[in-house]
Amino acid sequence: GDSVTQMEGPVTLSEEAFLTINCTYTATGYPSLFWYVQYPGEGLQLLLKATKADDKGSNKGFEATYRKETTSFHLEKGSVQVSDSAVYFCALIKTGTASKLTFGTGTRLQVTL
Amino acid sequence: KAGVTQTPRYLIKTRGQQVTLSCSPISGHRSVSWYQQTPGQGLQFLFEYFSETQRNKGNFPGRFSGRQFSNSRSEMNVSTLELGDSALYLCASSTGQGDGYTFGSGTRLTVV
Repeated sequence: GDSVTQMEGPVTLSEEAFLTINCTYTATGYPSLFWYVQYPGEGLQLLLKATKADDKGSNKGFEATYRKETTSFHLEKGSVQVSDSAVYFCALIKTGTASKLTFGTGTRLQVTL
Repeated sequence: KAGVTQTPRYLIKTRGQQVTLSCSPISGHRSVSWYQQTPGQGLQFLFEYFSETQRNKGNFPGRFSGRQFSNSRSEMNVSTLELGDSALYLCASSTGQGDGYTFGSGTRLTVV
């Protein structure tokens, strides 16, 4: 079945450091890929998405590129802020089924001053 | 544009009871999905409704059920609650075309 694998956390960085959170997926066909962020006590917010190979999703300084050859969708940000501290989830949805998101286990990011 | 609204935000129930959670999707969204989030199992898909029909179902026991009304609002019901049902229940709405989901803030259910 479909699956998403994320790097284990927590990831602890100093403010202004470079962030990479790795995400790889297993799926048949051509899934759409997403990054969601969850702040403490809240639901999930869509951070960015990509729907086909080589697409780059970007939002609020975060970027991720859909790499079909390596089945990856790594999240990056050039300079993190304390306010970026949250849990980040990589997810996929299969084109055609359009009804079920498959999530990774989440990666907690802690940014310190 | 109003977001996805889930009620109540917090709920405490006793083992054996049943509970109903409510979700109002974004206006115009016809798809509503439900997810259970726990520290041990992460985010798990419960079911999805589209235009009042269950379109997909996850691997949960029959104690978990749902429905969708003609105005796209959805409810999920859990009967005979167990301690392991304690979780954050998240509702998400979309157009149903695979373009991503907007999540509500969730209902935190505690079973004691």
